[in-house]
Amino acid sequence: NAGVTQTPKFQVLKTGQSMTLQCAQDMNHNSMYWYRQDPGMGLRLIYYSASEGTTDKGEVPNGYNVSRLNKREFSLRLESAAPSQTSVYFCASREPWGRYGYTFGSGTRLTVV
Amino acid sequence: EDQVTQSPEALRLQEGESSSLNCSYTVSGLRGLFWYRQDPGKGPEFLFTLYSAGEEKEKERLKATLTKKESFLHITAPKPEDSATYLCAVQENAGNMLTFGGGTRLMVKP
Repeated sequence: NAGVTQTPKFQVLKTGQSMTLQCAQDMNHNSMYWYRQDPGMGLRLIYYSASEGTTDKGEVPNGYNVSRLNKREFSLRLESAAPSQTSVYFCASREPWGRYGYTFGSGTRLTVV
Repeated sequence: EDQVTQSPEALRLQEGESSSLNCSYTVSGLRGLFWYRQDPGKGPEFLFTLYSAGEEKEKERLKATLTKKESFLHITAPKPEDSATYLCAVQENAGNMLTFGGGTRLMVKP
């Protein structure tokens, strides 16, 4: 089915370890986004990419890096994981005129111990 | 800075008991207001987009309305399968991203 695919679905890291969350969309959307969702905090934007070759910081970028590999793929990297980065991470993409808002992936549940 | 506040945080209803969820927003020029439904362990799913005050959209038991300062999601005769978290988000004219509220967790008991 067309949509946004995130991998992995679950991950446990030790403090200081690094990892990359992968995201791919097959809807030919220009814009892609990474959000984190925490209880009581709602969805907060980490980074976004308005188009291939561009990335910008969102509300909570510290401790993260991103790569827009091509139009389909947008990855999120944690260089040195911290317990405060325990969260559910969602990738989303958007059609050019945004009538339907975002299409979200199913999320990655990350625990840092 | 865009702000979105949803109330109540949680709402318990009996099956068939109609109610409304509120989304209050502050934005410098509204491009669109979006409603999403999120089931546990899943990503949010799109429900509605509203663009201007007075606009209404309906889908099954849900109806979304919009004023200049808030949006309501009315649920008529809800069923247990309507239980989910409902998220509201706004996009301003000059921006490319959405700002989300904290959500309302709806629980409908049979």
